[in-house]
Amino acid sequence: EVQLLESGGGLVQPGGSLRLSCAASGFTFTSYAMTWVRQAPGKGLEWVSVISGSGGVREYIESVKGRFIISSDSSKNTVYLQMNSLRAEDTAVYYCAKGDGGHDYWGQGTLVIVSP
Amino acid sequence: DIQMTQSPSTLSASVRDRVTITCRASQSINDWLAWYQQKPGKAPKLLIYQASSLQSGVPSRFSGSGSETEFTLTISSLQPDDFASYYCQQYLTYPYTFGQGTKLEIK
Repeated sequence: EVQLLESGGGLVQPGGSLRLSCAASGFTFTSYAMTWVRQAPGKGLEWVSVISGSGGVREYIESVKGRFIISSDSSKNTVYLQMNSLRAEDTAVYYCAKGDGGHDYWGQGTLVIVSP
Repeated sequence: DIQMTQSPSTLSASVRDRVTITCRASQSINDWLAWYQQKPGKAPKLLIYQASSLQSGVPSRFSGSGSETEFTLTISSLQPDDFASYYCQQYLTYPYTFGQGTKLEIK
């Protein structure tokens, strides 16, 4: 059974940092890209970042370039999102999702609140 | 970036109604389009991928069609469990973008 379990969310001040983790199980981790999608309170879905199964390809939405870093550890079947210089507009539930588009499995989400 | 525009933003319908949601892309995305259903407080659920392929386990009352820039999601006979928000997503070009969503409400 495929499972994705996010962790690492919380309350952080503007300018601060957080690292989100997504532990994956039930599939061959290195065979699939992994994606982060976020959803601000009461708003729609926003694609944030993707990393290829090999880790060699990483893409970001413009608004997080230079502030967020996606990475993965195949020994732990875990994908990370290091979020630096956080802003109020980064407040959202962050989901990890399996694959590169047409995501068939999603985690339950972890809430990030950026506030003084 | 490719812009995805869904219509309507809100749709009121009754059980057993046939409903259609439209998604338009700002440029051709061939058939690189997915549809998701999301209920409050829950993660999205994949319904359709590659514009018209039904995800395993999804009821056959859901169907997708279209190509290039215009796509539709059709629910042939609404069931109580279908009242939710629906999103399209293009996955041709990064950043992969979502439509703004359609909230399907009970009339």
